[in-house]
Amino acid sequence: DQQVKQNSPSLSVQEGRISILNCDYTNSMFDYFLWYKKYPAEGPTFLISISSIKDKNEDGRFTVFLNKSAKHLSLHIVPSQPGDSAVYFCAASVYNAGNMLTFGGGTRLMVKP
Amino acid sequence: NAGVTQTPKFRVLKTGQSMTLLCAQDMNHEYMYWYRQDPGMGLRLIHYSVGEGTTAKGEVPDGYNVSRLKKQNFLLGLESAAPSQTSVYFCASSPLDARHNEQFFGPGTRLTVL
Repeated sequence: DQQVKQNSPSLSVQEGRISILNCDYTNSMFDYFLWYKKYPAEGPTFLISISSIKDKNEDGRFTVFLNKSAKHLSLHIVPSQPGDSAVYFCAASVYNAGNMLTFGGGTRLMVKP
Repeated sequence: NAGVTQTPKFRVLKTGQSMTLLCAQDMNHEYMYWYRQDPGMGLRLIHYSVGEGTTAKGEVPDGYNVSRLKKQNFLLGLESAAPSQTSVYFCASSPLDARHNEQFFGPGTRLTVL
């Protein structure tokens, strides 16, 4: 049973518009959440994270929102650029517990020029 | 710094053959991990290590063995490969004091078992 789910396998948006990627989790023990970005033929790279004590974290064009009661987080990219086209993985963890991550299935984002 | 490197990048095996995937990191990280990535399944943890000489099972350990004889290296072995082990394998490492709990990934090894 997947503890972290990304229900949209793919998402297509126009350049300059907002991209919203969603993630749901089931394990209440998770208290730290990360987003990774992956280009073809490369390993995933860390993008942004959020602690469960916050409901929002922003880094440039990227903002992650956390709704603990709904066990839901989302990644907003504004404005979207063609270089953002990649697979995005949501990951959940228990902070300071061996840095163990549980990953979602990924969402492929395509940003059209 | 090369970061996390993986050898080989590609490999084709026949059912029943064995092989070892090598992961090396030059960041002096304590933790190391092996994942497999399959379509729609995300990254699933195979085995991990919290330090030199230690290993532990992850979510999908069957059919794999690992060793961490040196801090910088983490080896993943397939003793008798099966078609179900066709996948992309990623190695990752992480420091004890990772600020964001983040792991640093290698470029992956694409393995096909015929």
